[in-house]
Amino acid sequence: ETGVTQTPRHLVMGMTNKKSLKCEQHLGHNAMYWYKQSAKKPLELMFVYNFKEQTENNSVPSRFSPECPNSSHLFLHLHTLQPEDSALYLCASSQDYYEQYFGPGTRLTVT
Amino acid sequence: GEDVEQSLFLSVREGDSSVINCTYTDSSSTYLYWYKQEPGAGLQLLTYIFSNMDMKQDQRLTVLLNKKDKHLSLRIADTQTGDSAIYFCAENGVNRDDKIIFGKGTRLHILP
Repeated sequence: ETGVTQTPRHLVMGMTNKKSLKCEQHLGHNAMYWYKQSAKKPLELMFVYNFKEQTENNSVPSRFSPECPNSSHLFLHLHTLQPEDSALYLCASSQDYYEQYFGPGTRLTVT
Repeated sequence: GEDVEQSLFLSVREGDSSVINCTYTDSSSTYLYWYKQEPGAGLQLLTYIFSNMDMKQDQRLTVLLNKKDKHLSLRIADTQTGDSAIYFCAENGVNRDDKIIFGKGTRLHILP
């Protein structure tokens, strides 16, 4: 595997479910990011981790819970989501915050 | 706060040059980026330019930066059908290293 990978690529979940999104970067970077991309809205930065420490939490609701066990892996735990949370969730990584490289995204649908 | 603006749509004939424009507000921007997003995919870093540069060329891509006017452009020479995508302008500011600000994206449509 090269670059930034994300699993699953597609996810449908009910509002009472709990699921997790996974991101892995194979670039040796020290920073990782979660973004939300909705139709007709700008890309929204959700969380930033640098060397496993969270450096940014962009006022994200607590139903989204990030986890960064090491510099290569990033998770986004989801619980009791709302239909408006349906979006493309993108993971990215970078070295020292510059030149972010993105994964293919997880298309999430909340029913 | 910081903002990045770009037009939402651009139509270009195949073989012509495409020019996608972007303006930003943060005068402390250090890196400026162009990303490409094809349908169903993540964002692909196309190119970037440092704020102390005026121009950068990479094969069919030319980036022009007018720092005085805070204007960035991406020129794609000999536009092909494979260039059809959404193009995002983005920038880092020196005072907020961990946060890249993205524009809303310009959808490039290629006419036959």
